[in-house]
Amino acid sequence: AQTVTQSQPEMSVQEAETVTLSCTYDTSESDYYLFWYKQPPSRQMILVIRQEAYKQQNATENRFSVNFQKAAKSFSLKISDSQLGDAAMYFCAYRSAQGGSEKLVFGKGMKLTVNP
Amino acid sequence: DAGVTQSPTHLIKTRGQQVTLRCSPKSGHDTVSWYQQALGQGPQFIFQYYEEEERQRGNFPDRFSGHQFPNYSSELNVNALLLGDSALYLCASSLARMTAYNEQFFGPGTRLTVL
Repeated sequence: AQTVTQSQPEMSVQEAETVTLSCTYDTSESDYYLFWYKQPPSRQMILVIRQEAYKQQNATENRFSVNFQKAAKSFSLKISDSQLGDAAMYFCAYRSAQGGSEKLVFGKGMKLTVNP
Repeated sequence: DAGVTQSPTHLIKTRGQQVTLRCSPKSGHDTVSWYQQALGQGPQFIFQYYEEEERQRGNFPDRFSGHQFPNYSSELNVNALLLGDSALYLCASSLARMTAYNEQFFGPGTRLTVL
């Protein structure tokens, strides 16, 4: 079974600075997807960024980028120029790319605070 | 374009009762997944429905059951409620494809409290 671990329960960052959220995962599969989701107090889970395991290039979405290290099974999220609206719970998630599965396996999450 | 909607927003039940939660998928989507998110935890996959059938199931007891209607909306039923069933229940929808990645969109969830 696949597992996702987020070892930092909380982090804080100053507005306009950069912060990195870490995530490790365990799987025996070679083809999969990794995600970072944001969950603000409104509770709705929002997709921040996605990485396909077969791609060596790290995904980037505006201020958000990842550092995907497949051999180390590490998947960190870097938020640049942090904004007050980035404050939320962040979840790392895994999804198999085999057999048409859409099941997401989530980590426990990390609370990000952005200080003005 | 309406996103994923869930009802009710909040619900309070007592132990032993039964509850039904509802989800309407995003317009154009045909697949619905349900997740349970306990306080301070990440969501856990309960099951997924496609073409009115349960396609995949997580590690949840038979007390958790579901249904998908011809219009693709879905219900999650939980029987014989336990205190441990208190959680945020999230619904996610997607459009099934034979190939390529299909993004899941989440609803705002239903907060269930069991007393």
